Amino acid sequence: KAGVTQTPRYLIKTRGQQVTLSCSPISGHRSVSWYQQTPGQGLQFLFEYFSETQRNKGNFPGRFSGRQFSNSRSEMNVSTLELGDSALYLCASSRVSGGAGSYNEQFFGPGTRLTVL
Amino acid sequence: GDSVTQMEGPVTLSEEAFLTINCTYTATGYPSLFWYVQYPGEGLQLLLKATKADDKGSNKGFEATYRKETTSFHLEKGSVQVSDSAVYFCARDSGGSNYKLTFGKGTLLTVNP
Repeated sequence: KAGVTQTPRYLIKTRGQQVTLSCSPISGHRSVSWYQQTPGQGLQFLFEYFSETQRNKGNFPGRFSGRQFSNSRSEMNVSTLELGDSALYLCASSRVSGGAGSYNEQFFGPGTRLTVL
Repeated sequence: GDSVTQMEGPVTLSEEAFLTINCTYTATGYPSLFWYVQYPGEGLQLLLKATKADDKGSNKGFEATYRKETTSFHLEKGSVQVSDSAVYFCARDSGGSNYKLTFGKGTLLTVNP
């Protein structure tokens, strides 16, 4: 069974540009979450999608956005890139919708390493 | 809000030494608790989990017990190996809605032969 895949693996952009990152979840997984990992701030939650709807959002500016398609694949977009957006962006997928009393393991992809110059 | 605090290290041990990485969490809601491991150049892998108080999670010789009274979830291993060298993250979910994880800063573990 294929794991979570993220493309591209590495990306170099310049300030002011925009970027789109892609995530393909494990087959059958309907929830996709995104995280930003930096040396200074560690791992921070960006947002989570389920059935093409954003259910939860972290404390990031509006320049960070995402979407999910009907096949559960997800993309995140960062507009007007800043130097501080340089990070490893991790995508995670889980099987079901969650909710009180349930637990769904999140499976992480290898990440996209974004460098902003 | 939700937060997780873990010892940041780095931690350097000799092979077969005993490992403890401390982790505490904010006592909001009824979270599940996790330890993830990240090897160089890779994403996160779930190492173990505990979903309620007094549960003990275990995997590959690692253990952690969900202690509600001390809001702790310390990671332990009796005898580390060189292959255990990695970054370890403690995390909690949001409680009722578990699709948002809050992570500690991570602890770099290096095991020398």
